[in-house]
Amino acid sequence: DGGITQSPKYLFRKEGQNVTLSCEQNLNHDAMYWYRQDPGQGLRLIYYSQIVNDFQKGDIAEGYSVSREKKESFPLTVTSAQKNPTAFYLCASWSGDSSYNEQFFGPGTRLTVL
Amino acid sequence: EDQVTQSPEALRLQEGESSSLNCSYTVSGLRGLFWYRQDPGKGPEFLFTLYSAGEEKEKERLKATLTKKESFLHITAPKPEDSATYLCAVFSGASKLTFGTGTRLQVTL
Repeated sequence: DGGITQSPKYLFRKEGQNVTLSCEQNLNHDAMYWYRQDPGQGLRLIYYSQIVNDFQKGDIAEGYSVSREKKESFPLTVTSAQKNPTAFYLCASWSGDSSYNEQFFGPGTRLTVL
Repeated sequence: EDQVTQSPEALRLQEGESSSLNCSYTVSGLRGLFWYRQDPGKGPEFLFTLYSAGEEKEKERLKATLTKKESFLHITAPKPEDSATYLCAVFSGASKLTFGTGTRLQVTL
């Protein structure tokens, strides 16, 4: 089955700790995205990547970092510089604007700071 | 900068009571408008893409329409299983989507 997987489903972080969220897709999509979702604020774009070894900041990139070494993988690191990281994180992939197909979303990772 | 506003924020319907959700948008050049359904604690699930004013798409009890300024998601005779948050997003060619904050729909017996 083609799709997007995210792991872990739940993640707990201590103050001052960096954590990495995994996102893998087997849809052969070029573009991948990370969103943060807080209650009442919808989806906010953190980072996105249109091709391997290239990525762009979204609207709320401060305190986060990403890498895109493989087409299938787009991990997100939440650093200690992110002051309020407790949120629901969603990864998505897209075939690209040439076909206008929808973005496919993963199941999400809920991060809680202890 | 693209902007999307969804209304109402929350809507409570009785089973069988039809209604509409609104998504108004401001974009420099609309190339696509997307509707998603999201259940609590899960990722959004794609429903529809609309590309031009006047276009309509249907799926079961849902029908999405598009004008030059807004889109409506009409829900006909809803059932409790239609309860979810419905998200609207626009694409204007900048390789990313801009999402609204969603409408939380609750359908009761």
